[in-house]
Amino acid sequence: DAKTTQPTSMDCAEGRAANLPCNHSTISGNEYVYWYRQIHSQGPQYIIHGLKNNETNEMASLIITEDRKSSTLILPHATLRDTAVYYCIVRGPDSSYKLIFGSGTRLLVRP
Amino acid sequence: GAVVSQHPSRVICKSGTSVKIECRSLDFQATTMFWYRQFPKQSLMLMATSNEGSKATYEQGVEKDKFLINHASLTLSTLTVTSAHPEDSSFYICSASQGRTLTEAFFGQGTRLTVV
Repeated sequence: DAKTTQPTSMDCAEGRAANLPCNHSTISGNEYVYWYRQIHSQGPQYIIHGLKNNETNEMASLIITEDRKSSTLILPHATLRDTAVYYCIVRGPDSSYKLIFGSGTRLLVRP
Repeated sequence: GAVVSQHPSRVICKSGTSVKIECRSLDFQATTMFWYRQFPKQSLMLMATSNEGSKATYEQGVEKDKFLINHASLTLSTLTVTSAHPEDSSFYICSASQGRTLTEAFFGQGTRLTVV
């Protein structure tokens, strides 16, 4: 079973920041938080991952709370092409490094 | 990011026949590959994990004799759906990772299987 909880859907205006929350209150100390997204009828695309420090790459930023029980994925300037289902996944050795997908958040970027 | 290629992207087969789906890591050695299936409007469901050179580990409820997985090399894993039935129609997706580590896993583009 997925160890994360995400809102079913969100929307934001094009050009604005999209902030996608994720709860993972049962995360263990050696588990990382991963974010993937899936555009319709394609394989998931890796976005970012982190353990406890905030992370940033060319796609997004990942903010993890100090207690590690939740995180937020930030797309700084959302475009129409960012419309997708976003999955927050907890992964680590305790779960044999498997990527177990929950139901994700459907993000709609409005023109 | 690394490239994972899945083939075919789309296949239609008759009931009772078998279908093989290939998953290749093109620019890295994938010691671990994951196979998923996805029904319309649902999330990805993990079917099995395969490690190069050893038998695949199947998730609970997945029939190992129906979904045969072979991971004979560091760049290729195959999923064979045997004696396919219409209820096996689904979107099958593979993912490849460099070993049992926390490096990112990359996904293929998926295979849409339709059994008629």
